[in-house]
Amino acid sequence: NFMLTQPHSVSESPGKTVTISCTGSSGSIASNYVQWYQQRPGSAPTTVIYEDNQRPSGVPDRFSGSIDSSSNSASLTISGLKTEDEADYYCQSYDSSDQGVFGGGTRLTVL
Amino acid sequence: EVQLVESGGGLVQPGGSLRLSCAASGFTFSSYSINWVRQAPGKGLEWVSYISSSSSTIYYADSVKGRFTISRDNAKNSLFLQMNSLRAEDTAVYYCARLGATWGQGTLVTVSS
Repeated sequence: NFMLTQPHSVSESPGKTVTISCTGSSGSIASNYVQWYQQRPGSAPTTVIYEDNQRPSGVPDRFSGSIDSSSNSASLTISGLKTEDEADYYCQSYDSSDQGVFGGGTRLTVL
Repeated sequence: EVQLVESGGGLVQPGGSLRLSCAASGFTFSSYSINWVRQAPGKGLEWVSYISSSSSTIYYADSVKGRFTISRDNAKNSLFLQMNSLRAEDTAVYYCARLGATWGQGTLVTVSS
């Protein structure tokens, strides 16, 4: 079964840049689009990146997404960190049967 | 405003049934595939089911196959999830979502005696 692996947690200081990785277990992560979702405590997820590197309207350009085929990984990079960015972040893609797959989530602490 | 609003959650005994609904507004519902995603208390997101825009393609996670049924009514801009033979491990907040776009606020399903 296709799986996406994320670090359990990351932390960084306000104003700095952080990158969260999402590694595919098999096949090529570039074969299907990767999305990234932000979930603040007690709230529903919201989309911050879709189709690997596209930002929905209203998401600041401090958020960016990329794919690295050599490591079979996707990455979410947040620059100029703000305390409001503190949340859980999930990557999501599809397996070979077009069924949805989520990473385990990464808790971002901004301290 | 693009919106998805879930309803129908609640407390149900093991082995019981529940039907969730998701009302869509602010976009052409009939043009988009929709998913159900759930989140157990304190856990991560788990994809549950997918239905294409015309209902011609449907997928289920192995954990719910044979027990859950997804459907939609494009005339009423509505999505449904019929959940039968519920188990304690089905306890979660259930979200309807256009993956890569819009999520609902979720509805809590608790399976307990």
